[in-house]
Amino acid sequence: AQSVTQLDSQVPVFEEAPVELRCNYSSSVSVYLFWYVQYPNQGLQLLLKYLSGSTLVKGINGFEAEFNKSQTSFHLRKPSVHISDTAEYFCAVSPRGDSSYKLIFGSGTRLLVRP
Amino acid sequence: DSGVTQTPKHLITATGQRVTLRCSPRSGDLSVYWYQQSLDQGLQFLIQYYNGEERAKGNILERFSAQQFPDLHSELNLSSLELGDSALYFCASFGGDGDGYTFGSGTRLTVV
Repeated sequence: AQSVTQLDSQVPVFEEAPVELRCNYSSSVSVYLFWYVQYPNQGLQLLLKYLSGSTLVKGINGFEAEFNKSQTSFHLRKPSVHISDTAEYFCAVSPRGDSSYKLIFGSGTRLLVRP
Repeated sequence: DSGVTQTPKHLITATGQRVTLRCSPRSGDLSVYWYQQSLDQGLQFLIQYYNGEERAKGNILERFSAQQFPDLHSELNLSSLELGDSALYFCASFGGDGDGYTFGSGTRLTVV
């Protein structure tokens, strides 16, 4: 079985400051890794994904994440946030070899960007 | 517009009732997934259909059922509704590793 832990339920940060949203996972098999963003009253939008290859993944809106296999982490970073980045962010995994490709989500981190 | 259409956007119903949520996947995607987002359980995978057949089941209650029709749209049926079923229900379609998931904007179900 797989589980995803997002330790921070809310992260307040000032505009133009850097931010890191933490994600750790537990799995007995290799996984694909994802970060999704949910703006108020909207569905989930893919920020970035790690399938294989380089452990540093760049996504949309200036976000990037680094896969660390030894620490089973996939932290999301942005060097300078904007007010418009205020949203809920979800880390998710999908077990490799599982033909369903279902996603197991973390509990989410609310990023609150203040002016 | 993500390409995945969910209707209705909002639904208010009484306990004990039955409702049907509808999802049309992105053009060309054969897989449809249903997820439930609630305050206490977070985002949970319910069920997956691929080209009309059930492919995987998650934490879906026996009171809930789903199907995918020949035109690939899917319906999630929720019966004997309880207050705890109040949640946002998302549909997503999957276009393979390269395209990944596309989520709809969800149906917000309120059971009163």
